[in-house]
Amino acid sequence: ETGVTQTPRHLVMGMTNKKSLKCEQHLGHNAMYWYKQSAKKPLELMFVYSLEERVENNSVPSRFSPECPNSSHLFLHLHTLQPEDSALYLCASSQDDRGAKNIQYFGAGTRLSVL
Amino acid sequence: LAKTTQPISMDSYEGQEVNITCSHNNIATNDYITWYQQFPSQGPRFIIQGYKTKVTNEVASLFIPADRKSSTLSLPRVSLSDTAVYYCLVGDAWGGTASKLTFGTGTRLQVTL
Repeated sequence: ETGVTQTPRHLVMGMTNKKSLKCEQHLGHNAMYWYKQSAKKPLELMFVYSLEERVENNSVPSRFSPECPNSSHLFLHLHTLQPEDSALYLCASSQDDRGAKNIQYFGAGTRLSVL
Repeated sequence: LAKTTQPISMDSYEGQEVNITCSHNNIATNDYITWYQQFPSQGPRFIIQGYKTKVTNEVASLFIPADRKSSTLSLPRVSLSDTAVYYCLVGDAWGGTASKLTFGTGTRLQVTL
């Protein structure tokens, strides 16, 4: 148990569906992250939130829409996805978003399949 | 940002000590070295972090030579459950955003009987 919980663990959706991924951290951290990990590829950073403000958006298509209502919760809203968006989506948190000493704590991920 | 180079894969037998070396030739003065472990279909998990010399915790040791251009993660007496991908990350300890750290492709360790 890392203190970061992601739901659902598995999700299958059609290309016209709208769904949301949820992440919750119980560590009192101020920064939260969304990563995408496709098969046999490195983790790709998608979004970074610090104190509920988005501080980074790494050229992610608009069909992915993040939301951070408070420092403990992070959502990733999905709509009109493509089959190539099938991947493991990981949420992480850290004390803040500054410096390499900030250890990131990851959730178990949501395995997404887009049909 | 210091670039890291690790072997793509390693094999070991259960009970052996495994050493995974990461090269970071252009490491900067303020950079720290951090290692993560990732099991299939799970998020990475922090293992150990260090700046110089040797750091040891309950699961691993981290050896960093004086020039800091490389680091070695040492796993004592591995078991089958240590089969995973191991990532070496290097970045400014206090400056820049933590998000600038990139995980790369890591080293896939396979432990067998």
